[in-house]
Amino acid sequence: EAGVAQSPRYKIIEKRQSVAFWCNPISGHATLYWYQQILGQGPKLLIQFQNNGVVDDSQLPKDRFSAERLKGVDSTLKIQPAKLEDSAVYLCASSPSGQGSSPLHFGNGTRLTVT
Amino acid sequence: QQQVKQSPQSLIVQKGGISIINCAYENTAFDYFPWYQQFPGKGPALLIAIRPDVSEKKEGRFTISFNKSAKQFSLHIMDSQPGDSATYFCAARTNAGKSTFGDGTTLTVKP
Repeated sequence: EAGVAQSPRYKIIEKRQSVAFWCNPISGHATLYWYQQILGQGPKLLIQFQNNGVVDDSQLPKDRFSAERLKGVDSTLKIQPAKLEDSAVYLCASSPSGQGSSPLHFGNGTRLTVT
Repeated sequence: QQQVKQSPQSLIVQKGGISIINCAYENTAFDYFPWYQQFPGKGPALLIAIRPDVSEKKEGRFTISFNKSAKQFSLHIMDSQPGDSATYFCAARTNAGKSTFGDGTTLTVKP
């Protein structure tokens, strides 16, 4: 079984620039998550999709962050404009369903540095 | 408000020793409690998980102890090995699939 694929692995941008991250979940997984992991902290949920619909985006800074999941498969997360405090690893995860016991499978993340 | 508190922040044990990491939660809506292991440059990987109707779960060298009344749970790693050196995260998950993570424990196992 192929894992969750994310790209790019690293990205360095200047503040006020825009950036986009891409995620391809495990085939057949209905639920997709984007997490932000700041150095020294645990992952923090940004947005949860069930198929191509948003389940939870309560912690997504909507003035600068946006995400979409086209056709219920791949997803992109965009930041525009970026701030210094957005420097973090952005993790994508997928699970077979949105139920609590459905295991989360994480990608290796995109490390973003904003200068 | 941090809903899942994890301790210690870092832990050093000798090879063959027992590593113990503790977590506490506040929200009674959580009904699934997984632990994740993360190596540098990798995403977290599910290690072991427990439901609140069970007080203990063991898988190989890894055991979760769960105290529902105290809202606490812990991970025990028996016979710790250098290959166990990683960052460990506890999490608490609602039945809607929303996970809240602790801030992690960096474990170093010395040979």
